Amino acid sequence: EEQLVESGGGLGKPGGSLRLSCEASGFIFSNAWMSWVRQAPGKGLEWVGRIKTNTDGGTTDYAAPVKGRFTISRDDSKNTLHLQMDSLKTEDTAVYYCTTLGYCSGGNCFPLNWGQGTLVTVSS
Amino acid sequence: QSVLTQPPSASGTPGQRVTISCSGGSSNIGAHHVYWYHHFPGTAPKVLMSRSNQRPSGVPDRFSGSKSGTSASLAISGLRSEDEGDYYCATWDDSLSGLVFGGGTKVTVL
Repeated sequence: EEQLVESGGGLGKPGGSLRLSCEASGFIFSNAWMSWVRQAPGKGLEWVGRIKTNTDGGTTDYAAPVKGRFTISRDDSKNTLHLQMDSLKTEDTAVYYCTTLGYCSGGNCFPLNWGQGTLVTVSS
Repeated sequence: QSVLTQPPSASGTPGQRVTISCSGGSSNIGAHHVYWYHHFPGTAPKVLMSRSNQRPSGVPDRFSGSKSGTSASLAISGLRSEDEGDYYCATWDDSLSGLVFGGGTKVTVL
């Protein structure tokens, strides 16, 4: 059974940094495109970004609100996905979900399996 | 403000049919398939519908999806209490070069 477990959430200060991790099991992680999706309190789901497999170049794409501040990376040797969050803003407060991506068509893939999420709170 | 527009809420009694709409534009729904997710607070979201009208394994046939032009819809027939929760449509947007979600529709079973 595919399983995704996020960790690293907590309290961060505006302008500070946090690093989230997502440990994957039950599937061949190195073959999976992965993404992060977040949900701010009382709001809907918002795509954060994605990373392709190293075979597909390991390239990343980001949503406009986080581009230049967040970095997605992967460690296939440890079956782990990371989200490095720098220059944090209060509006980054959200539950962050790690997802596998599937249903790929023309280079576009969609969230398939999701973790339970980890809460990030940005406040002074 | 979400790129994809959904009604904020929908409701029905057990056994009724509920339809949720998702409206977009030519750069998103008009160009790509739509996906639907069910999210019950505190749990992991789950794929309900893929490629606009295909049910993943395990999703009951009470759920059906459709797409026409720049709009899509999800129908739930034979509404059950376990269908409560938030429903989101999603697709790729060529103008934004990213995945976009609708604002979500909260379904309540009366």
